[in-house]
Amino acid sequence: DAKTTQPNSMESNEEEPVHLPCNHSTISGTDYIHWYRQLPSQGPEYVIHGLTSNVNNRMASLAIAEDRKSSTLILHRATLRDAAVYYCILRTTHTGKLIFGQGTTLQVKP
Amino acid sequence: ETGVTQSPTHLIKTRGQQVTLRCSSQSGHNTVSWYQQALGQGPQFIFQYYREEENGRGNFPPRFSGLQFPNYSSELNVNALELDDSALYLCASNHLPRGLAGERNEQFFGPGTRLTVL
Repeated sequence: DAKTTQPNSMESNEEEPVHLPCNHSTISGTDYIHWYRQLPSQGPEYVIHGLTSNVNNRMASLAIAEDRKSSTLILHRATLRDAAVYYCILRTTHTGKLIFGQGTTLQVKP
Repeated sequence: ETGVTQSPTHLIKTRGQQVTLRCSSQSGHNTVSWYQQALGQGPQFIFQYYREEENGRGNFPPRFSGLQFPNYSSELNVNALELDDSALYLCASNHLPRGLAGERNEQFFGPGTRLTVL
């Protein structure tokens, strides 16, 4: 299974943008890039996913490098409720299973 | 529409015992996946059930087994519990078209069962 690398932790101020990086240099052509987040005392929840093109939804944006070896999750205006562990995951369509790494713990300061 | 539910919320067992954890999938979902999350770590994939059959397994020993029922709810059974089995066990459900994982297939997670093995 292809692996992802993320910083252990990041800090942000409330209402400022946050860029969460992820490296996935061994990504294969059939891997989708998924992001999930896990709020304290909850199960993970889906944030966004993409294959090659940048993606936007109501929660976040996903910027994917042209060579697909890295991606960045962008929270446009961080709120205190965005404090969570963010996981970057490569998902193969054939199995559908999610392979989680350590994730990035995001702290948001008021 | 009810979300994914798991029971019990917390459980304490002793080494060598057996445990059964339960999961009710979200309405309309035919697939359940189980994950183990040790403290401070990301969730680790245990196995997935699709239409009552195992559809992929992670690197877990055979004493971890599961079932999926006709209503798509699921059980995770762990025999001969070890201290390292102490973890949060997460269940996630989604809907797979026949034979394929699909593109998005967002998994919906339950709140988990916290298992402590003494």
